[in-house]
Amino acid sequence: GDSVTQMEGPVTLSEEAFLTINCTYTATGYPSLFWYVQYPGEGLQLLLKATKADDKGSNKGFEATYRKETTSFHLEKGSVQVSDSAVYFCALSHGTGANNLFFGTGTRLTVIP
Amino acid sequence: GAGVSQSPSNKVTEKGKDVELRCDPISGHTALYWYRQSLGQGLEFLIYFQGNSAPDKSGLPSDRFSAERTGGSVSTLTIQRTQQEDSAVYLCASSLGGRRASPLHFGNGTRLTVT
Repeated sequence: GDSVTQMEGPVTLSEEAFLTINCTYTATGYPSLFWYVQYPGEGLQLLLKATKADDKGSNKGFEATYRKETTSFHLEKGSVQVSDSAVYFCALSHGTGANNLFFGTGTRLTVIP
Repeated sequence: GAGVSQSPSNKVTEKGKDVELRCDPISGHTALYWYRQSLGQGLEFLIYFQGNSAPDKSGLPSDRFSAERTGGSVSTLTIQRTQQEDSAVYLCASSLGGRRASPLHFGNGTRLTVT
């Protein structure tokens, strides 16, 4: 069945370091892919998305490219800030309905000054 | 436009009591989801509503859990005879539904503590 596997955390980086959080998926066909972010004390919010192969989603300096050949959607940012400290969730939507929506387990990022 | 609103934000209850958690989705969103997030864990799907269709209850962990959505808008998640293992953050989300790439909009959650 469909699933999402993302890099286990926690991840600790110094400010201005380069960030990669790996995400791979298993699905038939062409799912839509998402990254959600959860800041401390808040609910999840959409960070970026891509709906077809080779699409690049970007927002707030974060990027992720939908790679069909490697079934991946890795999250990257060139220079992290303390304010990026949060939990990041990779997600897959394959059709509509709850049984077609899958979340990874989340990766906690802590950025230290 | 207000986002998804959940109340209360925090709830402390004694073991064995019933609790009700409320979710006000974004106006016009036909799909509504409830998830549970335990400490250090990912998201556990509980229940899904889409329009007037029968809800998908496949994620409810036991018959102590139930949810309803009145008038296709506000939803209430009820936990009867709460247990300590029910302690978690309960997240509600809504979306336009019916569209594969429609993202979810989450509320800030209700933190439930069962003592």
